[in-house]
Amino acid sequence: KQEVTQIPAALSVPEGENLVLNCSFTDSAIYNLQWFRQDPGKGLTSLLLIQSSQREQTSGRLNASLDKSSGRSTLYIAASQPGDSATYLCQPNTDKLIFGTGTRLQVFP
Amino acid sequence: EAGVAQSPRYKIIEKRQSVAFWCNPISGHATLYWYQQILGQGPKLLIQFQNNGVVDDSQLPKDRFSAERLKGVDSTLKIQPAKLEDSAVYLCASSLVAGVDEQFFGPGTRLTVL
Repeated sequence: KQEVTQIPAALSVPEGENLVLNCSFTDSAIYNLQWFRQDPGKGLTSLLLIQSSQREQTSGRLNASLDKSSGRSTLYIAASQPGDSATYLCQPNTDKLIFGTGTRLQVFP
Repeated sequence: EAGVAQSPRYKIIEKRQSVAFWCNPISGHATLYWYQQILGQGPKLLIQFQNNGVVDDSQLPKDRFSAERLKGVDSTLKIQPAKLEDSAVYLCASSLVAGVDEQFFGPGTRLTVL
């Protein structure tokens, strides 16, 4: 059974810092892995999708890496801004769709 | 391109009442998902449709929850009768091809059961 863990559970940093959010999963037979952000009271917004054959994917200040064999993905956020404050969720995609519990990020000015 | 639409956005009911949620996916998306998100937790998949067929409903409490996707487009999720523990946000998502493409989420329906 797939288990997904996200570390840290919460993070509070000053503006401008580079951040690392971690996602680990137990079933490495994934098709792909998707990172989302969720603002309070809102739905999920897709950030990045990494296919199982890829090692990383970039979009603006975001970079996600994938090490399928070790069951890990990392989301890097460069030069964080207050607008990045949200909960970040990862979802490794197998036959069972399981989310992690998320990392709650607060970036203060 | 229009996103995933859901209605209503909020619903308050008393326990033992019934409720229904509606979802309209992105045009052309064959796969539709319903998730339940309890406060402080990640979303939990309730049911996944491929066109109008069910792919996975292993976590759907079938004694009280039902879902359908007639004509492979819109979908409804129903709870009857509701319990206090059903208070959650119900999220609908869609994707072009399951297992390959991104999932896109709607804004969700916040259900409060009193």
